[in-house]
Amino acid sequence: ELKVEQNPLFLSMQEGKNYTIYCNYSTTSDRLYWYRQDPGKSLESLFVLLSNGAVKQEGRLMASLDTKARLSTLHITAAVHDLSATYFCAADNTDKLIFGTGTRLQVFP
Amino acid sequence: DAGITQSPRHKVTETGTPVTLRCHQTENHRYMYWYRQDPGHGLRLIHYSYGVKDTDKGEVSDGYSVSRSKTEDFLLTLESATSSQTSVYFCAISRTGGTGELFFGEGSRLTVL
Repeated sequence: ELKVEQNPLFLSMQEGKNYTIYCNYSTTSDRLYWYRQDPGKSLESLFVLLSNGAVKQEGRLMASLDTKARLSTLHITAAVHDLSATYFCAADNTDKLIFGTGTRLQVFP
Repeated sequence: DAGITQSPRHKVTETGTPVTLRCHQTENHRYMYWYRQDPGHGLRLIHYSYGVKDTDKGEVSDGYSVSRSKTEDFLLTLESATSSQTSVYFCAISRTGGTGELFFGEGSRLTVL
């Protein structure tokens, strides 16, 4: 049974700092997804990582995938307040996605 | 806009009453999903559908049933609501077949008193 774990669950960081969110999954999965959710809103797709070694970047966010280690990372560079949200990773499991518990990111001045 | 509409968006009901949530898509995709979101648990899959009348269970299917009589509609029913089913329910579609990026509706907040 595929399980997805994220850490940390909560991250409070100062503007301008860098940090990484980790996503581990328990069984083989070739694809990994990152989503963002603002409070009270739906989920918005950020990145789709389709193969080992895949790296995607959008603004201050960069996601990578290591299928051998069953690990994906979401790296935040020089955080700004607008990045405050909850971030979810999800791994695919034959016709469905299994989600991690989410990382709530709070960026303060 | 992912072309997904959930209804109702908010509902308050009492324990023991039946509740049906509706997910409607305008894009004619085969795969549709129901997730629930709770603090500390992220999103957990309840049921999903891969075509008309074709459905399967997810991680937390107990107490829920689904139906898909038309491609565009996927219904989630709580036969007898319990307080543990208080949650935010999200419907999602896959535009690329079963495995692929999901696109979510706006969510339905259900409170069971």
